[in-house]
Amino acid sequence: AQSVTQLDSHVSVSEGTPVLLRCNYSSSYSPSLFWYVQHPNKGLQLLLKYTSAATLVKGINGFEAEFKKSETSFHLTKPSAHMSDAAEYFCVVSDTNSGYSTLTFGKGTMLLVSP
Amino acid sequence: DTAVSQTPKYLVTQMGNDKSIKCEQNLGHDTMYWYKQDSKKFLKIMFSYNNKELIINETVPNRFSPKSPDKAHLNLHINSLELGDSAVYFCASSQEGRQKYEQYFGPGTRLTVT
Repeated sequence: AQSVTQLDSHVSVSEGTPVLLRCNYSSSYSPSLFWYVQHPNKGLQLLLKYTSAATLVKGINGFEAEFKKSETSFHLTKPSAHMSDAAEYFCVVSDTNSGYSTLTFGKGTMLLVSP
Repeated sequence: DTAVSQTPKYLVTQMGNDKSIKCEQNLGHDTMYWYKQDSKKFLKIMFSYNNKELIINETVPNRFSPKSPDKAHLNLHINSLELGDSAVYFCASSQEGRQKYEQYFGPGTRLTVT
């Protein structure tokens, strides 16, 4: 069984300050992990993914995440927030030992960016 | 050049009606999915098809019936709509159904049942 916990339902930052969105997961196997972003009334866009290669993963728009197996974490960071980063962010885990997988979504973190 | 498209974008209907949502992907992917996003933004898988065959069917009422005429299309038909069916429905596709392949999502269909 797999699960995802996003530790904060809302995160507020000022433009130009760092962003940290926290995610912990549990998985029976070696998981793949993803971060998706959803802007208001839009679909989900993939930010980045981890699939057992480098543990520090770089994504689009300056975001990155580090896979820490010992902490079962996959936190999303960005050095400097931009107003356009305001959106809902979902941490997602996918695991199967073999065969077809399903994605399990966290409950989302709303990122609010103030001027 | 939209990768995953859904129609309609908005759907307002009355309880008891039957409605369909269409999804098409032009990415050449083998696997397609339907997700339901509730009012609290929580996303849950409903169905997954690989090469027109059902591979995942979560505990969804049998009023929901997916149909895949070819691997580029996965439509969702809903019979006897209920108030609780109101949600945003997302279609997605991936290269394969294996865990390492990311999914590409459509823009969503907001279904409102009155």
